[in-house]
Amino acid sequence: GQSLEQPSEVTAVEGAIVQINCTYQTSGFYGLSWYQQHDGGAPTFLSYNALDGLEETGRFSSFLSRSDSYGYLLLQELQMKDSASYFCALNTGFQKLVFGTGTRLLVSP
Amino acid sequence: DAGVIQSPRHEVTEMGQEVTLRCKPISGHNSLFWYRQTMMRGLELLIYFNNNVPIDDSGMPEDRFSAKMPNASFSTLKIQPSEPRDSAVYFCASRIGGSGANVLTFGAGSRLTVL
Repeated sequence: GQSLEQPSEVTAVEGAIVQINCTYQTSGFYGLSWYQQHDGGAPTFLSYNALDGLEETGRFSSFLSRSDSYGYLLLQELQMKDSASYFCALNTGFQKLVFGTGTRLLVSP
Repeated sequence: DAGVIQSPRHEVTEMGQEVTLRCKPISGHNSLFWYRQTMMRGLELLIYFNNNVPIDDSGMPEDRFSAKMPNASFSTLKIQPSEPRDSAVYFCASRIGGSGANVLTFGAGSRLTVL
């Protein structure tokens, strides 16, 4: 099977940079995705890494290292609205997404 | 596009009652997923369909759960009989076909409380 581990909570202040890590165990996968979920809301897609390296999408960047079974989401110029839960997810093929445990990000003024 | 539409948004029922959750995927999306989210277990994939055909139901917890997709624009998840441990938020998500980022678009969810 697959498993993904994330820190349960991360705190930061407005304007700062924060990194949310994700380590995983799997026998094979196509890529690593990141989703954001605000309290009471639905998960929404943020970023995807099919290959090793950094993918940048505005203030958000995501990184993948297959050799280290590791990825991270980098959020820059933090805003209050970035307070949410962030999930990494493995695309395991056959159209399945397996989600990590989630990291709750608290952004303070 | 109205996105993925789920109903009801909230359901409170008593143990032993039948619960039916409904989902309308985005038009043109050919894959549909049912996820369950709880604090303890996170986001769990229950079942997914491709072109209306169930592909993998290994995440369905037990025989009390069943899902159908009679056509490309409608799916149901049924729990019969319901139990308090089924209390969770149930999300439906859809995806357009083809390879790539496997971007799922989630509905707003159905919050189920079983007393």
